[in-house]
Amino acid sequence: GQQVMQIPQYQHVQEGEDFTTYCNSSTTLSNIQWYKQRPGGHPVFLIQLVKSGEVKKQKRLTFQFGEAKKNSSLHITATQTTDVGTYFCAVYSGTYKYIFGTGTRLKVLA
Amino acid sequence: DVKVTQSSRYLVKRTGEKVFLECVQDMDHENMFWYRQDPGLGLRLIYFSYDVKMKEKGDIPEGYSVSREKKERFSLILESASTNQTSMYLCASSLLIDRGLNEQFFGPGTRLTVL
Repeated sequence: GQQVMQIPQYQHVQEGEDFTTYCNSSTTLSNIQWYKQRPGGHPVFLIQLVKSGEVKKQKRLTFQFGEAKKNSSLHITATQTTDVGTYFCAVYSGTYKYIFGTGTRLKVLA
Repeated sequence: DVKVTQSSRYLVKRTGEKVFLECVQDMDHENMFWYRQDPGLGLRLIYFSYDVKMKEKGDIPEGYSVSREKKERFSLILESASTNQTSMYLCASSLLIDRGLNEQFFGPGTRLTVL
């Protein structure tokens, strides 16, 4: 079946450093979503990517969809303590449902 | 403002008990989902529903059942709770895929402990 790998599992960075998490699929994707879950909170939708090679920005966050539509990345420039949390990718697997990656837990050290 | 509510934030049950987790959404969404979240395993789909009285198995349906009698309400049932069902349970809702952007809106979660 379809597999979604997300790396790294954990990342500790100093405040001000950059951070990147990657999501890789074994199959070509129709679209991909990214979510953020703050500690003690629930996942919150960040963005959806649909087109091959698509790049979208939200302030310090840059989302990219691979040319082959098999991978995606989320990059945070100059991390802040408010960026702490777990970032999940979610890929559409057909029949109304998504498969979530295992998540990358980001810790920002002040 | 979309709101997904879950009946309990914390729940403690004993092995063998029947457990009901309720989820209600107020945005007239067709899709509703139940996930469980465990450390290192991400979110795993238990069941989902794309319409009233319709239900589909997710990736880990064993030991669970669901009910969707009304569009806004989706219930998860543990027929006979076991200790390996101790977990965080998250409910979510979304529009149908073919209606465009279909982000999932999550409830606050229910942390279930089975003793």
